[in-house]
Amino acid sequence: EIVLTQSPDFQSVTPKEKVTITCRASQSIGSSLHWYQQKPDQSPKLLIKYASQSFSGVPSRFSGSGSGTDFTLTINSLEAEDAATYYCHQSSSLPQTFGQGTKVEIK
Amino acid sequence: QVQLQESGPGLVKPSQTLSLTCTVSGGSISSGSYYWSWIRQPAGKGLEWIGRIYTSGSTNYNPSLKSRVTISVDTSKNQFSLKLSSVTAADTAVYYCAREAEDIVRLWGRGTLVTVSS
Repeated sequence: EIVLTQSPDFQSVTPKEKVTITCRASQSIGSSLHWYQQKPDQSPKLLIKYASQSFSGVPSRFSGSGSGTDFTLTINSLEAEDAATYYCHQSSSLPQTFGQGTKVEIK
Repeated sequence: QVQLQESGPGLVKPSQTLSLTCTVSGGSISSGSYYWSWIRQPAGKGLEWIGRIYTSGSTNYNPSLKSRVTISVDTSKNQFSLKLSSVTAADTAVYYCAREAEDIVRLWGRGTLVTVSS
């Protein structure tokens, strides 16, 4: 099973600041890495697919990069509505797995 | 617009079988090249992929749960289902049904909380 490790676990950020979340895979997964946003009491929403492709309707301030084992989700100019937990997810091999999550709080 | 809705008992006794159904509305479960999946999330914790079924009936399960999980599809009712046997308190979680396209979970249900307790 591929283990995904996110860092940091928690981040407190002021509005308009830039947020960077990393996800490291225990083995190479190419670009089969996706990012989700989950707000309290809601189901996750897809933000980025295949490491860097924005999903339809997602604000342009969200971007992704990386390949192999190291990946990054960047939120440029954080907005209050971005307060959420962010998860990375790999679909390179079964079972699909998720990172432990990074909670982003607005200061 | 396709929507997914989970249904089933919110309370299951230890050692019994958890049974959930996901109803697909706004489109046919048989159309397109999709996997229909189950994912769960214990309170305050991360996401765990349980398994999935293709419309042909082929399945993939998480090895950690494989011995206890069955996912099936009923195309006549536009539903797919999850059965998890021999449940314990560790199976208490919000259970999501979802649709995968190109191995990416792009559409989620709202989730349903299942508590395992006597």
